[in-house]
Amino acid sequence: DAGVIQSPRHEVTEMGQEVTLRCKPISGHNSLFWYRQTMMRGLELLIYFNNNVPIDDSGMPEDRFSAKMPNASFSTLKIQPSEPRDSAVYFCASSLEVAGNTIYFGEGSWLTVV
Amino acid sequence: DAKTTQPPSMDCAEGRAANLPCNHSTISGNEYVYWYRQIHSQGPQYIIHGLKNNETNEMASLIITEDRKSSTLILPHATLRDTAVYYCIVLTGTASKLTFGTGTRLQVTL
Repeated sequence: DAGVIQSPRHEVTEMGQEVTLRCKPISGHNSLFWYRQTMMRGLELLIYFNNNVPIDDSGMPEDRFSAKMPNASFSTLKIQPSEPRDSAVYFCASSLEVAGNTIYFGEGSWLTVV
Repeated sequence: DAKTTQPPSMDCAEGRAANLPCNHSTISGNEYVYWYRQIHSQGPQYIIHGLKNNETNEMASLIITEDRKSSTLILPHATLRDTAVYYCIVLTGTASKLTFGTGTRLQVTL
């Protein structure tokens, strides 16, 4: 049974370039989450979708970040333009939105902006 | 959601039980206790969760005190592969807003 699939696993890009991270949630799940992890700030929730609709984007750091979920099986997190301080591991997670549910995480996309 | 308090680090000998405590003294009646762990360089991994009763699965056991103000995650026979950061999280209803604290860094040693 496939879990949450993220791509790319690793990306190195130059400052100012556009970065697109991709996520395929677990089939049948109706909630999708993007998290960011850094040494300084730990794991932070960036945005949360339910039934493809953004519910809470209060964690999105600034306008350079945008996330979309065009259908139930795909989501993107875009950074444009990228900056060195965006270097982090970005995790996508998904769940079925019911009480006492479980969120499952992907293996992450390691982003380095130089 | 209620805040949680965990020790920053713990050690455990391989083969012994690892008992990881978590305090959540402000937990309310409809809040679940979730445990996740993160092994270095991997995504957070769900371990177990519970509301009122003790729970057990193939990975661990969760013991919740009667007043629900604290809980303990038990790894019955810790192995080196259990070395990770363990997060205790308290949530209302759905796990929509998993908020990770600093967790407990468990080091399993030979």
